[in-house]
Amino acid sequence: DAGITQSPRHKVTETGTPVTLRCHQTENHRYMYWYRQDPGHGLRLIHYSYGVKDTDKGEVSDGYSVSRSKTEDFLLTLESATSSQTSVYFCAISESNLETQYFGPGTRLLVL
Amino acid sequence: KNQVEQSPQSLIILEGKNCTLQCNYTVSPFSNLRWYKQDTGRGPVSLTIMTFSENTKSNGRYTATLDADTKQSSLHITASQLSDSASYICVVNGPNTGNQFYFGTGTSLTVIP
Repeated sequence: DAGITQSPRHKVTETGTPVTLRCHQTENHRYMYWYRQDPGHGLRLIHYSYGVKDTDKGEVSDGYSVSRSKTEDFLLTLESATSSQTSVYFCAISESNLETQYFGPGTRLLVL
Repeated sequence: KNQVEQSPQSLIILEGKNCTLQCNYTVSPFSNLRWYKQDTGRGPVSLTIMTFSENTKSNGRYTATLDADTKQSSLHITASQLSDSASYICVVNGPNTGNQFYFGTGTSLTVIP
């Protein structure tokens, strides 16, 4: 998985609780992305980062925040999880926004 | 509205046969078009990436074609193997900015012996 790890790999939480997912890369790529994948929707971009402390919103950013304090780490936070945020979350990295994206193994999140 | 549509939604073929997957898009302008393979329970893996000026790109038994005039792309798989069973996703990248990725919902391919 091109030097990308995601943690945790599986998580069950309750509605209203905060959740943080972590993406860690060892490739020193500039761009990092968070996607969610749901049946019938394909992958949808939540947020992305184009450098340390540089982030921007994607298509489905409501209810999510991100932070990138180091090149290698990109955190996705659900401030108050809802059942609609039950999904599989993928992190991806790329050297530029026009280059190939390399995806992590995914995190399965279940919000009860 | 920018869209990417893939067909068929699912496909079953016999091992050793060839198949072609289709991707139609309305994104315009665009910078590149990508095909990914996603095995069950894993993240997508890049197969090909083509700019708007390229017509074809190969990666082993996978060959992608692009017709920018008709806004169509296809992924041809030659001599299919059981390991080709996966979902194949078409992605169109809009110009310049980092958040313009338009994903198709994928074609689920099953190769049977």
